Amino acid sequence: LAKTTQPISMDSYEGQEVNITCSHNNIATNDYITWYQQFPSQGPRFIIQGYKTKVTNEVASLFIPADRKSSTLSLPRVSLSDTAVYYCLVGATPSNDYKLSFGAGTTVTVRA
Amino acid sequence: NAGVTQTPKFRVLKTGQSMTLLCAQDMNHEYMYWYRQDPGMGLRLIHYSVGEGTTAKGEVPDGYNVSRLKKQNFLLGLESAAPSQTSVYFCASLSPGATYEQYFGPGTRLTVT
Repeated sequence: LAKTTQPISMDSYEGQEVNITCSHNNIATNDYITWYQQFPSQGPRFIIQGYKTKVTNEVASLFIPADRKSSTLSLPRVSLSDTAVYYCLVGATPSNDYKLSFGAGTTVTVRA
Repeated sequence: NAGVTQTPKFRVLKTGQSMTLLCAQDMNHEYMYWYRQDPGMGLRLIHYSVGEGTTAKGEVPDGYNVSRLKKQNFLLGLESAAPSQTSVYFCASLSPGATYEQYFGPGTRLTVT
């Protein structure tokens, strides 16, 4: 599974946009990029997944450049309830039984 | 539709004791996974299953066994618990579709003294 690198922590304020960039230099051709969110004492929750260019859903946007060696999760207008750990994962394809490899993630703290 | 449930939510074991954690999903998913999460760290894959009757090892399988006798249930067993197995255990399930999304349970907090 491709290794990912993301910042350990980020601080923001309510109403701001938060962008978390993840590096994955050895991403394979068939790999998807997936982001999960985890609150304390809960299991991770799927946020968004993409292969290339831009993906948007009701919660976030995911930007993937053409070389796919990095990706950026964008959380628009964050609130206090967005304080959580965010994980960037690469892989999870049919060829590896959709296994996920979690790093330490990025702890996002939103302040009032 | 309960999604993924885990039993028990909390457990304290003494070193050498055994126990079984139960994961159940009602989404008819083929794939199921067991992870452990230590404080301040990401999740690590213990074992997983790609269908009823099949299991495979993940990153950290030593000290654990699993069984998938029914499609909806995935059991994680500790035969002889050790303090190093103190952790939070998460189960997840997946059915490939438009996205490859794993659905996680609420976790089991296990302490081995």
